[in-house]
Amino acid sequence: DAMVIQNPRYQVTQFGKPVTLSCSQTLNHNVMYWYQQKSSQAPKLLFHYYDKDFNNEADTPDNFQSRRPNTSFCFLDIRSPGLGDAAMYLCATRRTGGMSDYEQYFGPGTRLTVT
Amino acid sequence: GENVEQHPSTLSVQEGDSAVIKCTYSDSASNYFPWYKQELGKRPQLIIDIRSNVGEKKDQRIAVTLNKTAKHFSLHITETQPEDSAVYFCAARNAGKSTFGDGTTLTVKP
Repeated sequence: DAMVIQNPRYQVTQFGKPVTLSCSQTLNHNVMYWYQQKSSQAPKLLFHYYDKDFNNEADTPDNFQSRRPNTSFCFLDIRSPGLGDAAMYLCATRRTGGMSDYEQYFGPGTRLTVT
Repeated sequence: GENVEQHPSTLSVQEGDSAVIKCTYSDSASNYFPWYKQELGKRPQLIIDIRSNVGEKKDQRIAVTLNKTAKHFSLHITETQPEDSAVYFCAARNAGKSTFGDGTTLTVKP
């Protein structure tokens, strides 16, 4: 059963053309993360939501924005994609509180290509 | 912020041998240390984790040790199999945010 779903799995966009990636979860987790992972590199945290509170990483470019309209959905907007933004984008969720509040669940990722 | 160093970057072992991957972290406030296995084109999968109040944890062929004083933790895989071949990432979490090591590419030769 899919728990963290990302759509689309593959996205091709043109240089400078805005693109939105989506993540949904059936786990009712209160924390949602967006990571960027370039080839042969570690996942890099872009930002995360703790409930409705948005937390941006200091080095995340302004070109990247996020929205979380409700608990289940979170979106990553890239306003003007550059060639350097081609990467795998991973969404992850986590529930805080209780004994099982540590594990982070990753979605399958969206591979973004910029032409 | 947190800084995680992971070694080695590549590791090749013969099937049946053991593999050890080591990570160090800088922020003593980090309290949760997961290890992920990532196959090409797939999501990171949690294989084992350890919390800061525990020194060692084992799950079948996989074990993790944590030395809080020295701020390092290690992944041990025994009786390696070809299907263990993948990239392994360590991470250290503080205040809900995980910092990942750069990864170790493990190759298990049949």
